[in-house]
Amino acid sequence: EDKVVQSPLSLVVHEGDTVTLNCSYEVTNFRSLLWYKQEKKAPTFLFMLTSSGIEKKSGRLSSILDKKELFSILNITATQTGDSAIYLCALQGGSEKLVFGKGTKLTVNP
Amino acid sequence: NAGVTQTPKFQVLKTGQSMTLQCAQDMNHEYMSWYRQDPGMGLRLIHYSVGAGITDQGEVPNGYNVSRSTTEDFPLRLLSAAPSQTSVYFCASGRQGSGANVLTFGAGSRLTVL
Repeated sequence: EDKVVQSPLSLVVHEGDTVTLNCSYEVTNFRSLLWYKQEKKAPTFLFMLTSSGIEKKSGRLSSILDKKELFSILNITATQTGDSAIYLCALQGGSEKLVFGKGTKLTVNP
Repeated sequence: NAGVTQTPKFQVLKTGQSMTLQCAQDMNHEYMSWYRQDPGMGLRLIHYSVGAGITDQGEVPNGYNVSRSTTEDFPLRLLSAAPSQTSVYFCASGRQGSGANVLTFGAGSRLTVL
């Protein structure tokens, strides 16, 4: 069965710090790995990583996928208080469904 | 363009009562799904559907029923609510196919079972 493990489960940093969030996975037939950000309500899409797209960057956020070692990381540089959220990693294997990890709760203090 | 609409936003039930959480999307997405979110547990898949007339179980299907009579609607039914079903429920939809399934989520429904 497809599985996603995120670490750490929670993280507290100061504004300006750089953080790295981890996502390891087990899958039978890999299709994609996705990162979502969840603030107070519904998760919003950040990145999608596939076999043909293993690095993504948007502003201060970037993500890479290591298909050999079965993990992905999400980096946030120069953190701001607005980055405080739960970051969710999701895996799509051979079927259409997405399996999520437990998430990393990031708190950025001023 | 409304996206994914969930109703109600809040609901309080007594143990044993039944109810239906409604989910509708106007993006012509084939794929629809229901997740529940509990503190520290991430999102757990309850049921999903890849098209009208087709549904399948996720990780935590017990106590929930679904149906998909149209492309737009995917209601989640609790036949006999239990306190363990107190949670925040999210409906999500996406396009399926050879590419990845980037889900669009509804705003969530907070359910409390007393």
